[in-house]
Amino acid sequence: KQEVTQIPAALSVPEGENLVLNCSFTDSAIYNLQWFRQDPGKGLTSLLLIQSSQREQTSGRLNASLDKSSGRSTLYIAASQPGDSATYLCAVSVDSSYKLIFGSGTRLLVRP
Amino acid sequence: DAGVIQSPRHEVTEMGQEVTLRCKPISGHNSLFWYRQTMMRGLELLIYFNNNVPIDDSGMPEDRFSAKMPNASFSTLKIQPSEPRDSAVYFCASSFQGNQPQHFGDGTRLSIL
Repeated sequence: KQEVTQIPAALSVPEGENLVLNCSFTDSAIYNLQWFRQDPGKGLTSLLLIQSSQREQTSGRLNASLDKSSGRSTLYIAASQPGDSATYLCAVSVDSSYKLIFGSGTRLLVRP
Repeated sequence: DAGVIQSPRHEVTEMGQEVTLRCKPISGHNSLFWYRQTMMRGLELLIYFNNNVPIDDSGMPEDRFSAKMPNASFSTLKIQPSEPRDSAVYFCASSFQGNQPQHFGDGTRLSIL
């Protein structure tokens, strides 16, 4: 059974710092992996999607990497800003279907 | 463009009452998902519709839960009778195809007293 773990559960950093969020999964046979952002009282917004054949994806200050063999993904946020404060969730799709298995998220606070 | 629209945003009701949550997916999307989010269990898929047909309802916790999608632009999730342990945030999401990125609504925060 696929399980997704995110460590740490919470992170607080000063503005301007580069940071890394971690996601691990138990079964390397994934179809893709997504990183989502969730703001308080809001739904999830998809940030980056990495197909199983890819190693990384970039969008602005965000870079997500995928190492299937080790069951790990990282989300790198460069030059963090207070507006980056949110909960970040990763989710894996175990086949080409619809089913996503979510981690419990990392709650990020960027202090001004 | 309008995103996924859910109503109500908040619902507080007493145990035993019927609760109906509503969702309008993004126009043109043929896949619709209902999720439940709690601190203890995180995000869980309750049911998945494709072209208005329920494909996977294995996540529906009990017979007290039911979901319908009478047409491509509307879905409901009903709990009858409601219990305090049903308190959670319920999200609806839609996608163009089942395996495409999902777009989430802002959720319904449900409190059962």
